[in-house]
Amino acid sequence: GAVVSQHPSRVICKSGTSVKIECRSLDFQATTMFWYRQFPKQSLMLMATSNEGSKATYEQGVEKDKFLINHASLTLSTLTVTSAHPEDSSFYICSASGLAGDTQYFGPGTRLTVL
Amino acid sequence: SQKIEQNSEALNIQEGKTATLTCNYTNYSPAYLQWYRQDPGRGPVFLLLIRENEKEKRKERLKVTFDTTLKQSLFHITASQPADSATYLCALDMRNTDKLIFGTGTRLQVFP
Repeated sequence: GAVVSQHPSRVICKSGTSVKIECRSLDFQATTMFWYRQFPKQSLMLMATSNEGSKATYEQGVEKDKFLINHASLTLSTLTVTSAHPEDSSFYICSASGLAGDTQYFGPGTRLTVL
Repeated sequence: SQKIEQNSEALNIQEGKTATLTCNYTNYSPAYLQWYRQDPGRGPVFLLLIRENEKEKRKERLKVTFDTTLKQSLFHITASQPADSATYLCALDMRNTDKLIFGTGTRLQVFP
């Protein structure tokens, strides 16, 4: 139980293009989903928190117009990196938590490379 | 601001020994603390959660302790195996939110 998937697992794009990453909770309803970014040899940094049907809450320093988050259902959240630049290259990981709220279950991550 | 430190960037131990990883935090009083395992290029996998009113929790070969006075958690893997080699992350909750703050992790290498 508590399986979270992400798609795609890796993506390479040209600078200036937009990339969409999907996060799905496969066997439970996720009231809250989180998006993290992880640079090499660093820990996970929370980017934003989203609740189904509500606008996402972004952490300080994260541009909401650049990282668009949509949480349209209890099993799907999407992160769109708009006008991507090489400095956006990173490992993006989503997590989901159910009604209990304590434990976050993580997706396998998406490796984004912007050329 | 909250700060989380994991004792070392890397820890090398011999198979069969007990691995002990440390997580220290400052300027904070979490309601609970979690430990995750992360393999290269993969997302973290939840291992154990321990609450502020719990001293110790066990799961198979894993044991976690939580000392809110010392502001420290210890994570033990007994009878370690090469398959235990991974990065282990501790994470604290932010009270009254669902957010977690992660430590930088300790990379454990168990050699035969």
